[in-house]
Amino acid sequence: GAGVSQSPSNKVTEKGKDVELRCDPISGHTALYWYRQSLGQGLEFLIYFQGNSAPDKSGLPSDRFSAERTGGSVSTLTIQRTQQEDSAVYLCASSRSGNQETQYFGPGTRLLVL
Amino acid sequence: AQRVTQPEKLLSVFKGAPVELKCNYSYSGSPELFWYVQYSRQRLQLLLRHISRESIKGFTADLNKGETSFHLKKPFAQEEDSAMYYCALLNTGGFKTIFGAGTRLFVKA
Repeated sequence: GAGVSQSPSNKVTEKGKDVELRCDPISGHTALYWYRQSLGQGLEFLIYFQGNSAPDKSGLPSDRFSAERTGGSVSTLTIQRTQQEDSAVYLCASSRSGNQETQYFGPGTRLLVL
Repeated sequence: AQRVTQPEKLLSVFKGAPVELKCNYSYSGSPELFWYVQYSRQRLQLLLRHISRESIKGFTADLNKGETSFHLKKPFAQEEDSAMYYCALLNTGGFKTIFGAGTRLFVKA
């Protein structure tokens, strides 16, 4: 079946502009995660959605970052007033439930802030 | 604090040689530990998890609570094993996965 998809695959923006990154999880997966993958830094947890519960936003690095998940499916990660240090690969993953289930990752969105 | 440490950024071995990718963790409870792999131009995917106690593609990993380690091993490396490997920790009953910085394995012919 279809895996996790993300769009766009690449995004180049100017410092100070807002960007939106999209994630389509695997159908039926109730849990959705966003991570940031910076060079040499591994994966940094950003936010977690589980069903209709309030999301865990504890990993968001600043208030410029926000995410929403509409209808328990598609999620959008928004970065406002982008900075050069926001440049990274943003990965989305989904799992059947949030309870220690295997996460399936999307291909990522490579963001470059000039 | 929860932390996953992969001390080697790059590991280079010859085909047929044994390989061990090191992972140490810091966690006060009983963690769930994973190894994820990312092959060139492919997405990140689960390789194995410690509760499954299985061998995937010849790789095994044993959880050593005394040393707080979860090293990934394979007795005979193959060229197709060349990839980026991430060790990850999930807190018991939780959902937040902490990843290490990754080790790039390069298997030479």
